[in-house]
Amino acid sequence: QSALTQPASVSGSPGQSITISCTGASSDVGGYNYVSWYQQHPGKVPQLMIYDVSNRPSGVSNRFSGSKSGSTASLTISGLQAEDEADYYCSSYTSSSTVVFGGGTKLTVL
Amino acid sequence: EVQLVESGGGLVQPGRSLRLSCATSGFTLDDYAMHWVRQAPGKGLEWVSGSTWNSVTIGYADSVKGRFTLSRDNPRNSLYLQMNSLRPEDTALYYCAKGGTYYGAGFDCWGQGTLVTVSP
Repeated sequence: QSALTQPASVSGSPGQSITISCTGASSDVGGYNYVSWYQQHPGKVPQLMIYDVSNRPSGVSNRFSGSKSGSTASLTISGLQAEDEADYYCSSYTSSSTVVFGGGTKLTVL
Repeated sequence: EVQLVESGGGLVQPGRSLRLSCATSGFTLDDYAMHWVRQAPGKGLEWVSGSTWNSVTIGYADSVKGRFTLSRDNPRNSLYLQMNSLRPEDTALYYCAKGGTYYGAGFDCWGQGTLVTVSP
């Protein structure tokens, strides 16, 4: 059960777009369309932003989008806003009937 | 309104046991998968254990397999995590999280967490 690989940090200016990658293996990200993304502000509870690779829960801004190619999933945030500054985590269902998270990415809005 | 409220955390010595509870409301527990996720101080999220709605499939992270046991009491709207042989590295904030109608679904609601500290 190796953690999914995410960049430790990304940054962007307001109005720009950024993409966070999440790399796994054929036994998790590459084998299932069960990738989710979570946003966590400091001291707060994680919030689901994307599920099943590219679906947004109701109430989540359409500035957030998800995709997948092979064993790498991506979260794109367009029209970056100051409130988007947070930690972001990907997760995937695995062939062992477990779930694995990525190490997390700190997004800084410059 | 969906609510998850964890309890049972505290300070415990290495090798001892603790049982966490998660009281749920606002939805029918036996329609959904449920999970436990933990976060050590200053660290990332780590999935601990999860269960399908009917407990036919219960999975565990390698780090807790053989020591932790997830159970659920759907009529009582409750989820539990029995933690035995606790280690200092189990120190974390433990979240109860609501999954979907299928096991791989994202976690769309989280409790506030209960803090477990394992220290002599």
